[in-house]
Amino acid sequence: DGGITQSPKYLFRKEGQNVTLSCEQNLNHDAMYWYRQDPGQGLRLIYYSQIVNDFQKGDIAEGYSVSREKKESFPLTVTSAQKNPTAFYLCASSIDWGGTQYFGPGTRLTVL
Amino acid sequence: EDKVVQSPLSLVVHEGDTVTLNCSYEVTNFRSLLWYKQEKKAPTFLFMLTSSGIEKKSGRLSSILDKKELFSILNITATQTGDSAVYLCAVVKRSGGSNYKLTFGKGTLLTVNP
Repeated sequence: DGGITQSPKYLFRKEGQNVTLSCEQNLNHDAMYWYRQDPGQGLRLIYYSQIVNDFQKGDIAEGYSVSREKKESFPLTVTSAQKNPTAFYLCASSIDWGGTQYFGPGTRLTVL
Repeated sequence: EDKVVQSPLSLVVHEGDTVTLNCSYEVTNFRSLLWYKQEKKAPTFLFMLTSSGIEKKSGRLSSILDKKELFSILNITATQTGDSAVYLCAVVKRSGGSNYKLTFGKGTLLTVNP
C-alpha cells in the first residue's frame, strides 16, 4: 500500500531527553514536511525538505532537528532544548515543493 | 504577516442540515488554497482551489474560491454524523524563487448530531 507512515503513535519522554519521531513514505514524493499541532491552534511548520539531502527551517524550528538522507525518510528529533514539546506531530509529503500535501497518521508526544 | 482565518471556530448542527465553512486569507503571491478534513488523526485532503469562481465538488461537499475578496467557502449538504471533524483551510504562497510556504488556519470544529 502506498502512503505515509509515522511511528510511534504515542510517545512518552522524560524532560531532558532527546527523542526521534519516524516518518516514511513510499509515494516517491520529493518534498516532506513536519508540523506541530496544539489544541486550538492550526498546524505550524517545523522543518521541510524539498529534496533528498536538503532541508530548511520552518516557522518554529528551535529545539528540533531533522535529516533527509533518503528520499523515503524524514525523521524529526525533538531535543531537550525544545521548551514545550508536548504536542501532536504530523508529517506530510507532496510530489514536489508546493504541491498538495498528504499527511501521515501523526505521533502524539507527551513529556512527563 | 500571512493570515488565514477560519470561521466559525466551531459549529453544531443536526443530521440533514447544510453547513457553510469560511476561510479568509491575507497572503502575498497566492498560489492555491487547500481544504482538509481532520478526524482523530491525520488531515485528509479534500480540495485544491487555484482559480476564482470554479466550484470543486465531491459528493455532498463543494468548495469555491474568490480571489478578489480573498476567501473560500466549503459547503456540506445533507450532513451526516460522519462529517463530524475539524476542517482545515491552508493557503500556499510562493515565497521567493522556487520556494513555497503553506499557512494553515486554526480550523472549524464541526459536530453533527443525530
